[in-house]
Amino acid sequence: DQQVKQNSPSLSVQEGRISILNCDYTNSMFDYFLWYKKYPAEGPTFLISISSIKDKNEDGRFTVFLNKSAKHLSLHIVPSQPGDSAVYFCAASAKSNYQLIWGAGTKLIIKP
Amino acid sequence: NAGVTQTPKFRVLKTGQSMTLLCAQDMNHEYMYWYRQDPGMGLRLIHYSVGEGTTAKGEVPDGYNVSRLKKQNFLLGLESAAPSQTSVYFCASRGTGNTGELFFGEGSRLTVL
Repeated sequence: DQQVKQNSPSLSVQEGRISILNCDYTNSMFDYFLWYKKYPAEGPTFLISISSIKDKNEDGRFTVFLNKSAKHLSLHIVPSQPGDSAVYFCAASAKSNYQLIWGAGTKLIIKP
Repeated sequence: NAGVTQTPKFRVLKTGQSMTLLCAQDMNHEYMYWYRQDPGMGLRLIHYSVGEGTTAKGEVPDGYNVSRLKKQNFLLGLESAAPSQTSVYFCASRGTGNTGELFFGEGSRLTVL
């Protein structure tokens, strides 16, 4: 039973446009959500996070939105740049144990 | 600025052989983790440690053992490798006081024939 789902294995976006990556979760105990970015042959790197007490967190070109009632979060990248081409993982944790549960990832391709 | 270093980066084993993956971090982090990543799946936690001398099982611990004799090192052992353990293995660490930001190594690609 996948508790964190990223239903789009891949996404292709034109350079300069907005990229929107989606993530759904099923466990209502999750209260902290993170996005990681991964380039080939490298480990994932932390991108941005959001606590369940917020519905939006912004860091430069990256914004994460959280809809608790829908158990859905999304990552917006504006404007998209070629260096954003990577696999993006959504992860969630509950304060009780801080163990991260990961989605399967979405491969983002930015077209020039 | 090393961060998290994993060795080896690549390894090919025959079924039944044993090996150890080494993870070293230089950030004085308390928590360390071993994950595996398989195609079409997210990272799955194998074992983790909340401090020197402690270890605990994650989601998929069977077939693996770990040790944390020194704070900076976390070893992952396969006593009798199986083809199902063909995967990319990632080590990660984090300090106390943050709720999820992990620092990852570059990964170790293991193939079991």
